Amino acid sequence: ETGVTQSPTHLIKTRGQQVTLRCSSQSGHNTVSWYQQALGQGPQFIFQYYREEENGRGNFPPRFSGLQFPNYSSELNVNALELDDSALYLCASSMTGFYNEQFFGPGTRLTVL
Amino acid sequence: AQTVTQSQPEMSVQEAETVTLSCTYDTSESDYYLFWYKQPPSRQMILVIRQEAYKQQNATENRFSVNFQKAAKSFSLKISDSQLGDAAMYFCAYRRGTQGGSEKLVFGKGTKLTVNP
Repeated sequence: ETGVTQSPTHLIKTRGQQVTLRCSSQSGHNTVSWYQQALGQGPQFIFQYYREEENGRGNFPPRFSGLQFPNYSSELNVNALELDDSALYLCASSMTGFYNEQFFGPGTRLTVL
Repeated sequence: AQTVTQSQPEMSVQEAETVTLSCTYDTSESDYYLFWYKQPPSRQMILVIRQEAYKQQNATENRFSVNFQKAAKSFSLKISDSQLGDAAMYFCAYRRGTQGGSEKLVFGKGTKLTVNP
């Protein structure tokens, strides 16, 4: 069974640029959640996708957007990058249901200069 | 809005000893789940233990156990017989249990656990 994978591992961008981060869900999972973890902080919920539809969003501006594909993989897109967007971005997949664990990927470290 | 507070930024323990990490939370809901996650330097978040709010019995997973005090909204993690591999950031997290809406996790700021040989 393949776990949650994310690409790339590290990324350096400059302010104002756009970035796309990718996540492959664990086999059999239909829900993907994205979190932003700033240095020294706990993860903050960005949004969640269930069956290709956004299913909840945290307190993030519209320049943070996402997609979920029919194979349940997902992308996080961030436009007009700001210095404060520098963080570890975590993807988690799960099967919808309140007893089901969210399995996390290793994250993408984004640095905005 | 739900909040999770971890009041200990750092803790240390001697190998083979016991350590307790604290967590408090605030919610107006009666149905929810609480979690402890471990994040080692490799960054991958790993579930340590889960507690359903409707269960009075405290969850245990081998050397890990919780003290769940629902009225006090407290959810502490006890690690017994600490091992060097337990060194990591530990995050307490909350998830609502009400059907409908996202299954988002609300995390605390974390506690860095050091295990001394």
